[in-house]
Amino acid sequence: NAGVTQTPKFQVLKTGQSMTLQCAQDMNHNSMYWYRQDPGMGLRLIYYSASEGTTDKGEVPNGYNVSRLNKREFSLRLESAAPSQTSVYFCASSDGSGRSYGYTFGSGTRLTVV
Amino acid sequence: LAKTTQPISMDSYEGQEVNITCSHNNIATNDYITWYQQFPSQGPRFIIQGYKTKVTNEVASLFIPADRKSSTLSLPRVSLSDTAVYYCLVGDTYGGSQGNLIFGKGTKLSVKP
Repeated sequence: NAGVTQTPKFQVLKTGQSMTLQCAQDMNHNSMYWYRQDPGMGLRLIYYSASEGTTDKGEVPNGYNVSRLNKREFSLRLESAAPSQTSVYFCASSDGSGRSYGYTFGSGTRLTVV
Repeated sequence: LAKTTQPISMDSYEGQEVNITCSHNNIATNDYITWYQQFPSQGPRFIIQGYKTKVTNEVASLFIPADRKSSTLSLPRVSLSDTAVYYCLVGDTYGGSQGNLIFGKGTKLSVKP
């Protein structure tokens, strides 16, 4: 099925370890996003990429880096994980050229930093 | 950026119509109103989007008054499977404004048998 695919689905890291969360979409969307969701909270935007080759900071970018590898793929990297980064991470995409279709989200990566 | 205010939680029973109202007093001229649904352990799912008056699709209806300072998501005849968190978002996703959609805490709808 067409959509947004995130890997891995679950991950446990030790403080100070690094890892990259992968995201790929097959809807030919221009824009991609990374959000985090903490318990009982809404989603907060970490970084986004309006189009291939561009990235911009969102509301909570500290401690993260991103790479828009190509039009399909947008990765999120934690260079030195901290317990405060324990969260569920969602990747999303949108066509970026209009308003009709909203965002399509992946199923999330549940990350625990111990 | 326009902020939204919606109830933290709502309870309903199967078969009832549920209306969730969202306030967005500072909505801008170019902003659209979008609603998302999120089930536990899943990403949000787009439900409906509108600019003014009424929009209806197979899932819900969205009512937007002329002043656009609020909107109401209407779910007809809810079932247990409609138990989820519903988010109201206001923003302009056109052109260079991507990424400016802000998710609040949403409304947690609990549907009981």
